[in-house]
Amino acid sequence: GAVVSQHPSWVICKSGTSVKIECRSLDFQATTMFWYRQFPKQSLMLMATSNEGSKATYEQGVEKDKFLINHASLTLSTLTVTSAHPEDSSFYICSARVSAGTYEQYFGPGTRLTVT
Amino acid sequence: QQQVKQSPQSLIVQKGGISIINCAYENTAFDYFPWYQQFPGKGPALLIAIRPDVSEKKEGRFTISFNKSAKQFSLHIMDSQPGDSATYFCAASSSLTGNQFYFGTGTSLTVIP
Repeated sequence: GAVVSQHPSWVICKSGTSVKIECRSLDFQATTMFWYRQFPKQSLMLMATSNEGSKATYEQGVEKDKFLINHASLTLSTLTVTSAHPEDSSFYICSARVSAGTYEQYFGPGTRLTVT
Repeated sequence: QQQVKQSPQSLIVQKGGISIINCAYENTAFDYFPWYQQFPGKGPALLIAIRPDVSEKKEGRFTISFNKSAKQFSLHIMDSQPGDSATYFCAASSSLTGNQFYFGTGTSLTVIP
């Protein structure tokens, strides 16, 4: 149980275009989803926290107009990287939490974004 | 400011040996301490987690030791296997701050046959 999927697993796009990444909880309903960014051989950096039906909370330094997060249902959250640039190339990982009172986060397999 | 400090950055262990990774924290409000295992190109997977009301938790070959007074916790991998070669992250979380995870910097473990 507690499986989280991401789509696509990897994507290459041209500079200036937008890319949408989906995060789905497959066998549970996730009240909260998190989006992380990870550079090679580095730790996970929390970008934003999203709760179903409400606006995402972005971490300091993360541009909310560039990284659009939508948590439209209890099983789906999307991250859209708008007007992507090469410096946005990274590994994006989502995680999901079952309910506000629980600690466990279940991570997706990640999406490798390369902007050319 | 790094909320959770992790060491060592990399670790090489012989097959069958014990791998030990250490983490330290400052925020006494943290009340949940998980360890995650990550293989290249994959998302982190929960290995084991502990709450501060116990000093040790064991699941198979994996053991967390927790020292509340020292604000330290560690992961011990017994009988390390080449398949354990991965990056390990510790994390800490507090119910007072929405259970947001603060991750350590990661330890790259290599188990040589």
